[in-house]
Amino acid sequence: RKEVEQDPGPFNVPEGATVAFNCTYSNSASQSFFWYRQDCRKEPKLLMSVYSSGNEDGRFTAQLNRASQYISLLIRDSKLSDSATYLCAVTDSSYKLIFGSGTRLLVRP
Amino acid sequence: DAGVIQSPRHEVTEMGQEVTLRCKPISGHNSLFWYRQTMMRGLELLIYFNNNVPIDDSGMPEDRFSAKMPNASFSTLKIQPSEPRDSAVYFCASSLTMSYTFGSGTRLTVV
Repeated sequence: RKEVEQDPGPFNVPEGATVAFNCTYSNSASQSFFWYRQDCRKEPKLLMSVYSSGNEDGRFTAQLNRASQYISLLIRDSKLSDSATYLCAVTDSSYKLIFGSGTRLLVRP
Repeated sequence: DAGVIQSPRHEVTEMGQEVTLRCKPISGHNSLFWYRQTMMRGLELLIYFNNNVPIDDSGMPEDRFSAKMPNASFSTLKIQPSEPRDSAVYFCASSLTMSYTFGSGTRLTVV
C-alpha cells in the first residue's frame, strides 16, 4: 500500500463548478499536510498547508481528518487556469515529504 | 533569491553512460531532497539530506544511484551505469522547517 493515495482522475468539470479532491495517508504519525499544484512540465508548487481546524484561501478550502487519516481540497467557482495536477503531501517527524500520485483536473469552458 | 537551481535542464545519454545531476539549494535551507517523477510511479523520494548528512536513502532504487552533498550549497545525484528505465524528471527540493521549494527539474532520457 502506498503511503499517500489519491484518485488519479482526471476530473473534467465546467468553469464555475465546485470540485473536491481526496487523499488518504497510511502513517498515523504524519505531522504536516500540504496540497501542491503541478502544471504540465513544471515543478510542484505549494498551494496551501492543511491544518486540523481546516483552512481557506480564496476559492480553495483544505480539510484534515486525523482520525480517518484523510485530507481534502475543495475548489469553488473553478477557473480555466485551475487546470493542473493537484498533489497531496505529508511529512513525518523527520520532515520527510511524501507525495501522492496526484489528481489531474481539467476545467473546460 | 534565485530559488533552487538544477542543471542540466535536459540530458539525453546512451545506455551505460554515467549521468550526474546537480542541485544548488536555497541559501539557508538545511534540508535537501532528491525526487524522481514518472507517469507510472509519480513523484518518488529518492534520498534526503539534513545539514549535508544523508538521513534516508531508502528510496534510492539500486546501487547504480548515488548522491552526495559535500557542502550546504551543492548536491549531486549520479547514475552509473544509466539504463533506459532511468528516464524520468528528477527534481531537487530544499527546505527550512516546513517550507519546501522545488527546482525546475532535470529531464533525463536514456536511449
